[in-house]
This record gives sequence, C-alpha cells and structure tokens, in this order.
Amino acid sequence: NAGVTQTPKFQVLKTGQSMTLQCAQDMNHEYMSWYRQDPGMGLRLIHYSVGAGITDQGEVPNGYNVSRSTTEDFPLRLLSAAPSQTSVYFCASSGTAMSLRSEQFFGPGTRLTVL
Amino acid sequence: GDSVTQMEGPVTLSEEAFLTINCTYTATGYPSLFWYVQYPGEGLQLLLKATKADDKGSNKGFEATYRKETTSFHLEKGSVQVSDSAVYFCALRDTGRRALTFGSGTRLQVQP
Repeated sequence: NAGVTQTPKFQVLKTGQSMTLQCAQDMNHEYMSWYRQDPGMGLRLIHYSVGAGITDQGEVPNGYNVSRSTTEDFPLRLLSAAPSQTSVYFCASSGTAMSLRSEQFFGPGTRLTVL
Repeated sequence: GDSVTQMEGPVTLSEEAFLTINCTYTATGYPSLFWYVQYPGEGLQLLLKATKADDKGSNKGFEATYRKETTSFHLEKGSVQVSDSAVYFCALRDTGRRALTFGSGTRLQVQP
C-alpha cells in the first residue's frame, strides 16, 4: 500500500513549456485534489475531483488543467508554464468527498521551478 | 469566506520546553479542525483533529481543543523534542466545502 505517490519530485521548466505532474493513489479514494504551497501562504487548492469523470476548480485554477479518467490517477497539466507557477505542488486524497471528518492523505510533493 | 490565522514563525525552543502555536479561524458553518505537520522534505501528515466544539484532539503528546466561543484551536505540547522540528499547519473543513482551508504554517525549531 503506497498511499499517494507523485512524480517527478523535482522539475525545472522554461517559460512556455508544458508538462504533466502525476498523482496516483491506491486506497480507492473518491476525492483527490491538487494544492500549491508558496512561502507564507499555506496551501491553496488548485483543482479537485470527487470521482472518476468529475472535476472542479479550486481557489487558484488559472493555468492548470486536470482530468480524472480513473479512480487512481489525477494528473495536473501546465499548458504554458510561467514563473508565477514556481511552487511546491501537493496531491491529496480522501475516502469520502463530503465527510467533514475524513482525513486527507498527502503525497510527498513536486518542487517545480519555472525559469 | 473561511480563513485560518496562525502565529508567524519561526518558533525556536529548547528541548523539553512547553510549546503553544496559536490558531484562530473564521467559518460560515460548523467546521472540523485539523493540525497537519510537515517534516523537512516530506508531504503533510495529519497530526490531530477535532470535529465539534469542546472536542480535544491528541497525538504524539500534542493536544488541541476546539473552542467555538473563541474560534480557536491552539496546538500545545508539554515537552518538545528535537524531532518535533517541522512546519505545523492549522486547517479547517467547513460544512458543505469540498476542501481544506489552511493557515500559512508555523515553523518550529527545537534546539538540543
């Protein structure tokens, strides 16, 4: 049981390049989400999904796309990277989308630098 | 909207000192409250949680009590260790909301 896995751990991009951050979980969780972590700002929600085929925007969705074709995977796509997207990205999952009590499990993060 | 305010860090303590990290919140519904910990180079881990007023969450010697009257969820530990050095995040999940709202995090440094 690997929990939530993310790849890559580190990535450097040039402005305008595209890439996909991978996230997978093996806990059969309904709910998956992407956060970005910036200094002094805590974690901010980018996109989330409450099940396969269902996605929605979070607090800071601009510049990012997501899809959820399977329960296990929730990739985050940067279509045209910008320096403002330099951040640490965390994927998280939880078993029940609407339960207030459910714990969110976090992946180890991807540190992205856009030059 | 929902928000979480944490004391700014870093907090630097000597080993065996008493720790308090303040957290206050605003929410429109009846939120659950959480403390997450992030050790260097790792993702966030749930430390403790409380789901209703007056509940006390506890884990690994850390405690926090859900105080609705003061909208607070302060984290405490009686005797910190060097291994407690990490960033601590207070968070809430409000009624009907699909995601957590995080505070900005407080870095704790414990010196031997």
